[in-house]
Amino acid sequence: DAMVIQNPRYQVTQFGKPVTLSCSQTLNHNVMYWYQQKSSQAPKLLFHYYDKDFNNEADTPDNFQSRRPNTSFCFLDIRSPGLGDAAMYLCATSYQAGTESPLHFGNGTRLTVT
Amino acid sequence: AQSVTQLDSHVSVSEGTPVLLRCNYSSSYSPSLFWYVQHPNKGLQLLLKYTSAATLVKGINGFEAEFKKSETSFHLTKPSAHMSDAAEYFCVVSDLMNYGGSQGNLIFGKGTKLSVKP
Repeated sequence: DAMVIQNPRYQVTQFGKPVTLSCSQTLNHNVMYWYQQKSSQAPKLLFHYYDKDFNNEADTPDNFQSRRPNTSFCFLDIRSPGLGDAAMYLCATSYQAGTESPLHFGNGTRLTVT
Repeated sequence: AQSVTQLDSHVSVSEGTPVLLRCNYSSSYSPSLFWYVQHPNKGLQLLLKYTSAATLVKGINGFEAEFKKSETSFHLTKPSAHMSDAAEYFCVVSDLMNYGGSQGNLIFGKGTKLSVKP
C-alpha cells in the first residue's frame, strides 16, 4: 500500500544533542511537510518542500532544519533540542500544494528530550 | 483572515447514538474544508473534504458533513457512534485568497476529543 512512513516511532534524545527524524513516502507526492504537535494541541506547520523548493514558516525556530534529498525522503534535524521541543512530529505529503489537495500523514515520531 | 473554531473541546456520546462535532469558520473567499481524525499515537487521517462541489459531503466510516455558507459552518455528523470512533477530530480550513503556493494557509481547529461510552 502506498503510504507515509516515519522512523523511528519513538525517539529519546538528550538536551542539546542533535537528532534526526526521517520520513519516506511511496505516494510520489510533490509536497512534503513537517508538523509539530504538542499534547492536546493541533498540529503546527514547521516547513514544507514543494519538490525541491523549501518553505519555512515564519515562526519556526532556527533550531529546526530540514532536508529532502529526493522525492521519497525528507528529514527533520533538530540541532540542539530543548525540553520544549518534546512533541509528536508528523510528516505529511500532498500531491499538489493547493487548497484542494488533502494531506496524507505518517504515524508520527514521538520525541522525548531528557 | 481565515480562522476555524471547534466549539467543543470534548464530546461524549453513548455507542449507537448520533455524533455531532461542530465547526465554524471564517474565510474571505471560497474555502476548502476538511475533517481529519487522529487516533491515539497515530497520524491524522482524512475523513472528508469540501471543495465547492456538493454541500453535503460523505466521508469514510459513515461520517458526513454539511457546508452551510450562510452559517459559516461545517459540522461533522454520524448517525450511530461506534466504540472505534473514539478519537480526536480536527476541522481544517484552507482559503484561496491566502494561497501562495504554500500549504501554510491550512488552518487547524484546536480539535474535539470524542469519547464513546458502551
